[in-house]
Amino acid sequence: GAGVSQSPSNKVTEKGKDVELRCDPISGHTALYWYRQRLGQGLEFLIYFQGNSAPDKSGLPSDRFSAERTGESVSTLTIQRTQQEDSAVYLCASSLIGENNQPQHFGDGTRLSIL
Amino acid sequence: EDQVTQSPEALRLQEGESSSLNCSYTVSGLRGLFWYRQDPGKGPEFLFTLYSAGEEKEKERLKATLTKKESFLHITAPKPEDSATYLCAVHSNFGNEKLTFGTGTRLTIIP
Repeated sequence: GAGVSQSPSNKVTEKGKDVELRCDPISGHTALYWYRQRLGQGLEFLIYFQGNSAPDKSGLPSDRFSAERTGESVSTLTIQRTQQEDSAVYLCASSLIGENNQPQHFGDGTRLSIL
Repeated sequence: EDQVTQSPEALRLQEGESSSLNCSYTVSGLRGLFWYRQDPGKGPEFLFTLYSAGEEKEKERLKATLTKKESFLHITAPKPEDSATYLCAVHSNFGNEKLTFGTGTRLTIIP
């Protein structure tokens, strides 16, 4: 079946604007993750959703970042009042949970550039 | 705090020249260690999961091994299509479901 789908693939915006990034997980995957990948750095965890449980927001770098997920489907990551340091690739992943540490499967990311 | 260090940062090999990539980790109870491959402009692609010291997994020219402190990704007789960045990540028994990633090894295979 289809893998994790992210849109847009590229986004260029001016400093101070808000942006919304979208993730469609693999069908049937109950867990969804957002990571940030800055140039030359490792993937940095942002937020985790599992079913109807409260999301784990412990990785969000500031209150300008927020994310939502509708049930076990689409998720959106919103960055308000963007800053230049927000420039990065934002990656979404999904996985099954509760079955022997299933791997996270990633989309191709949204490359965000803040001018 | 969980930490993952990968070495070398970059590695250039001739086609057919075997070598190993290293992933050293510090984690408060290892639940799993993951290897991913990432091509330019793409998301990480899952390769292996290792759970306990002594475990080995193989896929084509790649073999991953695990000790209590590090993991190796051995590549045997590589081909140019094996060129990519290889990422290592750990999943802790404590805390949340996040993976902690290293910064990767950029592997280039020269024809």
